[in-house]
Formats: sequence, C-alpha cells, structure tokens
Amino acid sequence: GAGVSQSPSNKVTEKGKDVELRCDPISGHTALYWYRQRLGQGLEFLIYFQGNSAPDKSGLPSDRFSAERTGESVSTLTIQRTQQEDSAVYLCASSLQGGTRLVEQYFGPGTRLTVT
Amino acid sequence: AQSVTQPDIHITVSEGASLELRCNYSYGATPYLFWYVQSPGQGLQLLLKYFSGDTLVQGIKGFEAEFKRSQSSFNLRKPSVHWSDAAEYFCAVGARAGNMLTFGGGTRLMVKP
Repeated sequence: GAGVSQSPSNKVTEKGKDVELRCDPISGHTALYWYRQRLGQGLEFLIYFQGNSAPDKSGLPSDRFSAERTGESVSTLTIQRTQQEDSAVYLCASSLQGGTRLVEQYFGPGTRLTVT
Repeated sequence: AQSVTQPDIHITVSEGASLELRCNYSYGATPYLFWYVQSPGQGLQLLLKYFSGDTLVQGIKGFEAEFKRSQSSFNLRKPSVHWSDAAEYFCAVGARAGNMLTFGGGTRLMVKP
C-alpha cells in the first residue's frame, strides 16, 4: 500500500516568512510524528499525535513551531517567522497503535526546508 | 531520559568485506531498539527491530543485529557488504511506555569497489 507522503519535497523561503509542511500518513495509522534532521545530524523529535488525545508537543523548539492534525489523517507543521537555523529536513512518520506497533514507525521522504 | 550513541561518524569498507556498525544506548529498562537506513534524498527505511526474545535479530537486505544488555549495545552487522549498502545508518531507541524514538547521530557508510 501507499507509504507516508510529504509535500513539498523542497521548500526555499526567505527569513521571516511562514511555511507550512504537509504529511499524509499511512491509511489506518493512528499515530503521527514529526522529526527534524539538521545537516549531518540525527533526528530530533518535535511532536506526536495519537488519535483524539492531546498532542505531545515536548520536542517543539520554540513557539514559532506548531502542528495540527485532522482526525487520523493529514497533519501540517507550521513554522512562523522562519530563521536560518530552521533549515533542515522535516520528516514525518506514522504508526499503528497498541503494544509494540505503536513504536514501529514508518517514515516519509521528508521536506527539505532552506531558509535564505 | 534515553539516549543513543553511534561512535563512528564515517566508516569505509571494501565491497565484499564484513561490516559492523556500533550503537550504544542509555535507558533504564529494556528498550525497543531499531536500525534505520537512509539513502541520499530518501526517507528512513526500517532495517530491523528488537522488542524482546532472541537477542540476535535478522533484518532486511542481509543485515542482523545483536542486543547485548550487559554492554547496552545493539550493533548492526552484515557479512558481505554490497556497493548498494552505501548510505547513512541510524540506531534508535524507543521507550516501552512512550511514543517517540530517540536517534543516534548516524554513521555514514561508504563502500569501496
């Protein structure tokens, strides 16, 4: 079946502008995650959605970052007033819920954000 | 808090040689452990995972990993590397009661012909 998809694949924006990144999870996956991957580094957790529960926002680096999810489908990550340090690849992942399946995450191809 | 260390940032091996990528984790209990591979411009693909049971786990593409509780390690191995294995490899740990994964910094593998 279809995997996790993300759009756009690349985004170049000017410092100070707002950007929206989109993630379509695997159908039926109730959990959705956003991670950030800076150049040459590992992934940093940003935010997690699970069903109708309140999202875990503990990884968001500042209040310029926010994310929404409509039910168990699409999610958007919004970065306001972008800064150069926001340049990174933003990866989305989804998983089923329940036991070990909650932790087995499937990743999308990412959105490469460049702030000039 | 959990953490993951991949001591080798870059590794170069010859095609056909064996490979071992190191991963050490810090976690208060038995974690869930994963290895992912990321090819240039691609997302992360799950190679293998350890949840419980047999400490030697087999994955895709001929990879295996061994969980050693006494050493807090989960090293990735392959007996004979192919040129197509050149990529970046990430070890990750997940808490049994949690949700997000904590990743190591990655090891970039280069394969010499």
